[in-house]
Amino acid sequence: DVKVTQSSRYLVKRTGEKVFLECVQDMDHENMFWYRQDPGLGLRLIYFSYDVKMKEKGDIPEGYSVSREKKERFSLILESASTNQTSMYLCASNLRVRDGNTEAFFGQGTRLTVV
Amino acid sequence: GESVGLHLPTLSVQEGDNSIINCAYSNSASDYFIWYKQESGKGPQFIIDIRSNMDKRQGQRVTVLLNKTVKHLSLQIAATQPGDSAVYFCAANYNFNKFYFGSGTKLNVKP
Repeated sequence: DVKVTQSSRYLVKRTGEKVFLECVQDMDHENMFWYRQDPGLGLRLIYFSYDVKMKEKGDIPEGYSVSREKKERFSLILESASTNQTSMYLCASNLRVRDGNTEAFFGQGTRLTVV
Repeated sequence: GESVGLHLPTLSVQEGDNSIINCAYSNSASDYFIWYKQESGKGPQFIIDIRSNMDKRQGQRVTVLLNKTVKHLSLQIAATQPGDSAVYFCAANYNFNKFYFGSGTKLNVKP
């Protein structure tokens, strides 16, 4: 079975803290993604990585950064957590193919609460 | 960019009936579409996909229809079961493997 694993299911952090969300995939996928999911807004792309040390901003990158030092691991960093970053965070990965696209596999999500 | 929308936030169906969940997308360059199912407390799970060179694809109890003329796709679930209760998302992909998701339709299956 393919697997995307997020390190925490639930996190509670204080405003101003630096927060790390970790994601590991075991499928040797080139592409990895971080989304946040909010009621009524669906999934919004924060950052995308298409290779080790490569990254692209998604639709809502402000307040976030990412790190991809190894192919299997993609970290989302909240530099200074704020209450409006309270959300469900979903990591995903997929295989990069030359001519086309492939389905993304998701982790179970991390519900982050910033107080 | 891409925006993806769903026509109804909630759909209630009787167990055994067929369900139809609709989705509209805005970018005519989108060439790959996926339906995901998300159960409470879990991440989205892949159900079925379709590429823009097709207008219909069938899986086990599910069918996806794509109408590129009006930029619309639908998910049909045959003989809906209680285990089908979940939130369903469509996703449209373009521009190097980025996916854009709708806000989701919650399917309630009544026994």
